[in-house]
Amino acid sequence: DTAVSQTPKYLVTQMGNDKSIKCEQNLGHDTMYWYKQDSKKFLKIMFSYNNKELIINETVPNRFSPKSPDKAHLNLHINSLELGDSAVYFCASSQELAEETQYFGPGTRLLVL
Amino acid sequence: SQKIEQNSEALNIQEGKTATLTCNYTNYSPAYLQWYRQDPGRGPVFLLLIRENEKEKRKERLKVTFDTTLKQSLFHITASQPADSATYLCALDLSGGGADGLTFGKGTHLIIQP
Repeated sequence: DTAVSQTPKYLVTQMGNDKSIKCEQNLGHDTMYWYKQDSKKFLKIMFSYNNKELIINETVPNRFSPKSPDKAHLNLHINSLELGDSAVYFCASSQELAEETQYFGPGTRLLVL
Repeated sequence: SQKIEQNSEALNIQEGKTATLTCNYTNYSPAYLQWYRQDPGRGPVFLLLIRENEKEKRKERLKVTFDTTLKQSLFHITASQPADSATYLCALDLSGGGADGLTFGKGTHLIIQP
């Protein structure tokens, strides 16, 4: 069974559209994250979410909003997509906030045209 | 601001030799440091975590060292194999409690040549 899963795997869309990426973890972890990996393969944290507390990276535009319907899910909503949003988005989870291994999903490849 | 630097973007090693990857950081004293492996088209996979009070940690053919004075971690793969070819990322928790997620280096693309 996949520990951290994301859908869709690929997402191609037009500039200005609104899209969502779903993430689910079946590990029973308390904390989930969203990362962005750009064309230069640089992996950067966007959000972390633990017990209904959201921690936002201040460089993330407010067009991006994570939503957690329950502890096992952290979905990423993106409004008014821009060309620069094209990247691979990874969801991850860990048991607790501190000193824990993070388990990553397979990634969602977003291409904005 | 905190910087994490990995020694090179790409590293070519002959099969059977030891591959050594470097991770340097500045302006911070992390409680621990992690190493991940990423294959093309996949998410990073955790390999090893080393704490500030640990000089060295091993797992099968992998060895990680952590020198808090030099602000450097070395990642070694002994008896390297072509299957070890991947991008290796070092990562730090800058928040001190994991609240902000991990900060990753840009990675070193390791190529093991038969």
